[in-house]
Amino acid sequence: NAGVTQTPKFQVLKTGQSMTLQCAQDMNHEYMSWYRQDPGMGLRLIHYSVGAGITDQGEVPNGYNVSRSTTEDFPLRLLSAAPSQTSVYFCASSKLAGASNEQFFGPGTRLTVL
Amino acid sequence: AQSVTQLGSHVSVSEGALVLLRCNYSSSVPPYLFWYVQYPNQGLQLLLKYTSAATLVKGINGFEAEFKKSETSFHLTKPSAHMSDAAEYFCAVSDQGFYFGSGTKLNVKP
Repeated sequence: NAGVTQTPKFQVLKTGQSMTLQCAQDMNHEYMSWYRQDPGMGLRLIHYSVGAGITDQGEVPNGYNVSRSTTEDFPLRLLSAAPSQTSVYFCASSKLAGASNEQFFGPGTRLTVL
Repeated sequence: AQSVTQLGSHVSVSEGALVLLRCNYSSSVPPYLFWYVQYPNQGLQLLLKYTSAATLVKGINGFEAEFKKSETSFHLTKPSAHMSDAAEYFCAVSDQGFYFGSGTKLNVKP
């Protein structure tokens, strides 16, 4: 299994540009989520999905969109990038939405918005 | 909503010394709790998790954590630090989503 994969690893955008961060998992996990990591703030939940066709907002959803058309993929869209979105983004998945299931993390995407 | 507090953003210990990383949670019901480790420029890796089966949980790399309901704590310990333990450690609580603490960077001095 490749586990959780993310592309790209690095990205530089200009303010106002849009882009999609890709996330895929091959473990048949129902639950997927996106986090951003900023120094001193830990990981903050952006959006999550408990299965194909179902998404919901986390702590910091503004400026981001998600969709879940398949079990495997959970892309994160930045509609109009802002410097405040400079961060490291992690995608994660777990077997079920149940609270006892640990999450598996991708390697991250480092995004810089100029 | 769940929340997690990690006391001490940086902890420094000597090699061979006890490691103690603190985590307190807020929850009206016993939660599911996790510790993750992040090495530089990598994703997060699960160290251990508490799911109510036992209050003392053993994880990988010699780490363990004790769930104390009366103190709403889930502190992470390791009896003897190794240089390879230098990393950032995150405590997390699970509800509809995972909610992470702000992290503690562990430095191990030779």
